Formats: sequence, C-alpha cells, structure tokens
Amino acid sequence: GQNIDQPTEMTATEGAIVQINCTYQTSGFNGLFWYQQHAGEAPTFLSYNVLDGLEEKGRFSSFLSRSKGYSYLLLKELQMKDSASYLCAVSPSDYKLSFGAGTTVTVRA
Amino acid sequence: DVKVTQSSRYLVKRTGEKVFLECVQDMDHENMFWYRQDPGLGLRLIYFSYDVKMKEKGDIPEGYSVSREKKERFSLILESASTNQTSMYLCASRLPGGTEAFFGQGTRLTVV
Repeated sequence: GQNIDQPTEMTATEGAIVQINCTYQTSGFNGLFWYQQHAGEAPTFLSYNVLDGLEEKGRFSSFLSRSKGYSYLLLKELQMKDSASYLCAVSPSDYKLSFGAGTTVTVRA
Repeated sequence: DVKVTQSSRYLVKRTGEKVFLECVQDMDHENMFWYRQDPGLGLRLIYFSYDVKMKEKGDIPEGYSVSREKKERFSLILESASTNQTSMYLCASRLPGGTEAFFGQGTRLTVV
C-alpha cells in the first residue's frame, strides 16, 4: 500500500510564507501532485513533480526529492483566499493516484 | 471546458438500500476513480478503473462495487448501505500517466 504523511494544520499571517511538507513511501513512483481544496468544493490541481527539483508557478512552488521520499509546497505572499486544505498525492503507477490526509492552512489577517 | 459530472450533490438513503452514484466525464480519459473523503482521513481510494470493464480495488473497497460499461461513465454501487458509509464521495478522471486528475463536485451521502 501507500503511506503519505503531511501535517494536519498550519496557521500563517497574510503576506507571509508557508511550507507544507509531505513524505511518502509507495510501491512505485510516477509523479507527485499537490491539490488545493476549499471547504465544500472539489480539489483543484496545483502542481506536478516527477523529477527532483523545484517547480515554480506564480506564488506557489513545489519541490521533490525522490531519494528521500519528500516533497514540499511553498506558498508565498499569502492571501486570505489561500485558506484551504492542501492535499499531497502520489501516483505509484500510470493508473493509481493516492492521497495524504491533507493539511488545513489558515491565513490570519 | 473539461468536466466531470456527478449525478447528485446530496443524497439521503436508508440503511440496507442499494445506492448508485454515477459519474460521467467528457475528456475521453481511460482512468477513473472513486474516493471517499472524511474529516481527518483525507481522500481514500475505493476503486479505480483503467479501461472499459476493467477495475481494481483501492484501499477501502469493502462494501462497495463499481461498474464501467462505457468509457465516459463510472458507477459506484453500495449493495446494502450502512451508516458508516455516510461520507463525501468524489469521482475523478485522468489520462494514464497524466499530470492532472479532474474531480467532480462530490456527492454528500447520508445513510440513516
């Protein structure tokens, strides 16, 4: 099976930076994903990493180290609308997609 | 605009009823998934399908079955609903090895 761990909750101030860590142990590896989910809504795709290194997309960046089974999502210049759950997901094969329990980020004014 | 559509946003069913949750995607994706989402547990994979009539168990298949008779449609079946199946159910689709999975809006099922 898959084991994907991330912190349950994080709180940060508007304008600050927050880093959400994700560690994983999977039977195979075909990419790591980050999704954002606002309360009562479906998850929406944020980023995808399959090679080691940093992928930057506007205020959001995602990092992957395959040898360490580790990823993080970096949210910069936090805005109130960034308050949401952030889900780390790993694809152990072309077919399957498994999620961690999610990290709830609360942005305070 | 790509779309994954789940047939109902809210459902209330009685214990022991047979329940069908329907999901349709318009992106010609081979892979489709059913998850349930519960507070503190995140998204847990129930079943997935990688082609018509092909299915595989996910992490929590007990009490569920699925049907994939057409590529665009993936149905989740609760043969005899129980109160511990009260949850949010999310359907998703994706190309094999694709970089993004697309989700439906979810069905909040309450079993009373």
